[in-house]
Amino acid sequence: NAGVMQNPRHLVRRRGQEARLRCSPMKGHSHVYWYRQLPEEGLKFMVYLQKENIIDESGMPKERFSAEFPKEGPSILRIQQVVRGDSAAYFCASSLEQGQSSGNTIYFGEGSWLTVV
Amino acid sequence: GIQVEQSPPDLILQEGANSTLRCNFSDSVNNLQWFHQNPWGQLINLFYIPSGTKQNGRLSATTVATERYSLLYISSSQTTDSGVYFCAVAPYGNNRLAFGKGNQVVVIP
Repeated sequence: NAGVMQNPRHLVRRRGQEARLRCSPMKGHSHVYWYRQLPEEGLKFMVYLQKENIIDESGMPKERFSAEFPKEGPSILRIQQVVRGDSAAYFCASSLEQGQSSGNTIYFGEGSWLTVV
Repeated sequence: GIQVEQSPPDLILQEGANSTLRCNFSDSVNNLQWFHQNPWGQLINLFYIPSGTKQNGRLSATTVATERYSLLYISSSQTTDSGVYFCAVAPYGNNRLAFGKGNQVVVIP
């Protein structure tokens, strides 16, 4: 019963490089979310996707950040030209559905820790 | 957006003690979940509980939706209960979870 799978778990990038974080949702889940956790803080919503569609990107920085969830393959969070302030833990989550039921439960992956040096 | 406040922010417990963590939220919610982030950073889903009461082993949770709060009870605490407990809610109409700042719990042997 595989959960939400994220890779890499840890990533080190120099300032100006690109970071790509991958997420495979739980089996059967078509809703994917990305959250960011800065040191000593709670998680902040970034983006919500369904297959091939961005549903809500209101929490995503307008520049350098992008996300996709293609028809085949994992969801990708891409950060271009990384800066030190991008250092954080990035969590992916998935759910079966959106609505008023236990299928609305959102399950989180183990996170990807990005360090920008 | 919806505000989530958790209390107490920090808690030190002797092994075997019981504790209650509280989560207040500022609007009606469609989703409320409690998570445990262990010292390795893993975020473990504890409860999906937008209303009512649930129990899972030594943990139980109660949400009183009309009064906009939720409680997480830890009984007979163990050192493995250490970590940060997060309450997260989503309002009606969207599935964006808003997280509180967490309850940092340390259980000492």
